[in-house]
Amino acid sequence: GENVEQHPSTLSVQEGDSAVIKCTYSDSASNYFPWYKQELGKGPQLIIDIRSNVGEKKDQRIAVTLNKTAKHFSLHITETQPEDSAVYFCAASKVSGYSTLTFGKGTMLLVSP
Amino acid sequence: SQTIHQWPATLVQPVGSPLSLECTVEGTSNPNLYWYRQAAGRGLQLLFYSVGIGQISSEVPQNLSASRPQDRQFILSSKKLLLSDSGFYLCACTPGTGIEKLFFGSGTQLSVL
Repeated sequence: GENVEQHPSTLSVQEGDSAVIKCTYSDSASNYFPWYKQELGKGPQLIIDIRSNVGEKKDQRIAVTLNKTAKHFSLHITETQPEDSAVYFCAASKVSGYSTLTFGKGTMLLVSP
Repeated sequence: SQTIHQWPATLVQPVGSPLSLECTVEGTSNPNLYWYRQAAGRGLQLLFYSVGIGQISSEVPQNLSASRPQDRQFILSSKKLLLSDSGFYLCACTPGTGIEKLFFGSGTQLSVL
C-alpha cells in the first residue's frame, strides 16, 4: 500500500519568514495530493490540493509543488503569520470510488511574532 | 457546500461502558462517509467508511462498529469501551460530486478512564 513520509515533524519560524514542509510517497499510481491544517482541538481543514497532471498550484500565500518523478510534494507558506501556527498534514491517494487517502504524520508549525 | 455536524465535542466514559457517536452531513447528497481516529500526537487512522446506506467497510479490526441508518447519518459505536479506545474521533465525508476532496467534522475527544 501507499506510504507517506513527512518532514520536518516540527518547524519554528519568525513571522514574515517562509515555511516549507516536504512529503514523499511510495505508490507511483497516486494522483491526488491534499494538504490539511489542524488547529488544536479542531478537525483538519483542507487548505489546498493538487492533482498529478499539475506541477504547481498557488492560493494566495500558500503553494504546493509536485515532482512525480521523484515522488515528492511540498507545501510552501510565504509571509507567515502567527495564525498559521498549527499542525499540517500531507496526504496521497489514487482517485477511486471512495477516499483512500494515506496521511503523513504531521508537521507542527510555530510562527513566532 | 457541505457541513458536518459531530457531537458531543468531548466525552469521558468509564471502561466497559457503551459508546455512541453521531455524525450528520448537510449540503450534499449521497456522500461517502468516514470515521477516523487520531491518537494524541499521532496521525490519522481510518476506521470505517461507507459508500451508501447500510454499507460499512472496516479498515482496522477493533472494539468499534459503525452504522449508516440514513444517507447523511453515520454512527460509531462500542458495546464495551477499552482504555485504548481513547482518542480524537473525526467524522469525514467526500461529497457526492467530488470524490477525492475529503472534509472533516470538528471531532469528539473521547477519554476512557
